[in-house]
Amino acid sequence: DAGVTQSPTHLIKTRGQQVTLRCSPKSGHDTVSWYQQALGQGPQFIFQYYEEEERQRGNFPDRFSGHQFPNYSSELNVNALLLGDSALYLCASRWAGTGHGYTFGSGTRLTVV
Amino acid sequence: AQSVSQHNHHVILSEAASLELGCNYSYGGTVNLFWYVQYPGQHLQLLLKYFSGDPLVKGIKGFEAEFIKSKFSFNLRKPSVQWSDTAEYFCAVIWTNAGKSTFGDGTTLTVKP
Repeated sequence: DAGVTQSPTHLIKTRGQQVTLRCSPKSGHDTVSWYQQALGQGPQFIFQYYEEEERQRGNFPDRFSGHQFPNYSSELNVNALLLGDSALYLCASRWAGTGHGYTFGSGTRLTVV
Repeated sequence: AQSVSQHNHHVILSEAASLELGCNYSYGGTVNLFWYVQYPGQHLQLLLKYFSGDPLVKGIKGFEAEFIKSKFSFNLRKPSVQWSDTAEYFCAVIWTNAGKSTFGDGTTLTVKP
């Protein structure tokens, strides 16, 4: 059990559509980060949420947006899907105190056709 | 741009052989360093982390890593690998002034019984 729960596990969408991915962090964790992992590559940082605000952002266009709720869960939204958005999307959570690494979920496999 | 480089894309070893996986990162100030492992069909798991203090860090499953500040390196080592160590290994860096995390592209380790 990863402790971080992501849903759905798999998703197929059509170009131009919008998608929402969900993440429940590990109990006790208050910081959530999202990553995109394309085949054969390491996870690429999308953004990080803490106290319901986006705190850090990677090099992703505005089509990628997110939200964090008061219970620390988070959503990743992608608008106007492109074929290149097909990837594994990972959610990771940690406690904001220093000295803690991230716990990763199993990811959502998004396929854009 | 801040970057993380893992030198070996695929390493093949026999059981009981010693392992060293390279990880170098670009200069950018104070860093937090991580190694993650992803076993086939499973989520990313934290192997070990370095935030400060003793540059030789011991992690789970007999792995260790050494932070060499002058070389911007954080190489992962294990004296004697087992077949069950077959997995993909990712080095990750957080530059504390930026707060963003960057992963290397990973090294696939195959251990032959």
